[in-house]
Amino acid sequence: RKEVEQDPGPFNVPEGATVAFNCTYSNSASQSFFWYRQDCRKEPKLLMSVYSSGNEDGRFTAQLNRASQYISLLIRDSKLSDSATYLCVVTHTGGFKTIFGAGTRLFVKA
Amino acid sequence: GAVVSQHPSWVICKSGTSVKIECRSLDFQATTMFWYRQFPKQSLMLMATSNEGSKATYEQGVEKDKFLINHASLTLSTLTVTSAHPEDSSFYICSASGQSPESTQETQYFGPGTRLLVL
Repeated sequence: RKEVEQDPGPFNVPEGATVAFNCTYSNSASQSFFWYRQDCRKEPKLLMSVYSSGNEDGRFTAQLNRASQYISLLIRDSKLSDSATYLCVVTHTGGFKTIFGAGTRLFVKA
Repeated sequence: GAVVSQHPSWVICKSGTSVKIECRSLDFQATTMFWYRQFPKQSLMLMATSNEGSKATYEQGVEKDKFLINHASLTLSTLTVTSAHPEDSSFYICSASGQSPESTQETQYFGPGTRLLVL
């Protein structure tokens, strides 16, 4: 079993739709959680950190459930520019061990 | 956000040559730097983790004699692919871990990556 697992996708949604991505992690000692976005043939870019209290940044909302070892990302009012691969990232103590999920591809169409 | 540069952005070389890739954190001191490799349509695979002034820790299956990592300072790490072969062709991405000026949380920031094509 992979340490970080994500919905494989791809998700094909129309503009304006709301889409949710899920991610589970197996190591209960994991300390920090992030969502990264990666465009085709580019490096990953930090989208947002994920906290137990949940956090929101504009149309993006991230949630962490430590008891279930589950992370989510919600995108509201999808834009064409949201089309990308979204990577769930989990780090262990002090950021010295980082595990990437395989990524979920999102296609937003007009 | 924090800036990490990587050089060169792409390399084409003959089989058997060595290629050196530099990774620099430009506006913060990186306590740890990571090197990843990404094949087409796959996720990033961690190759090694390096802390300044100490030997890198390689992931299982990554040959440390083939992928030489030097972390000379808190802002510079280099990856040298020795005697490169066509199967080494990939997208190599570094990241630097540290506290950027905007955040109190330890975060990874990625360089733009280096595309290596070995003929």
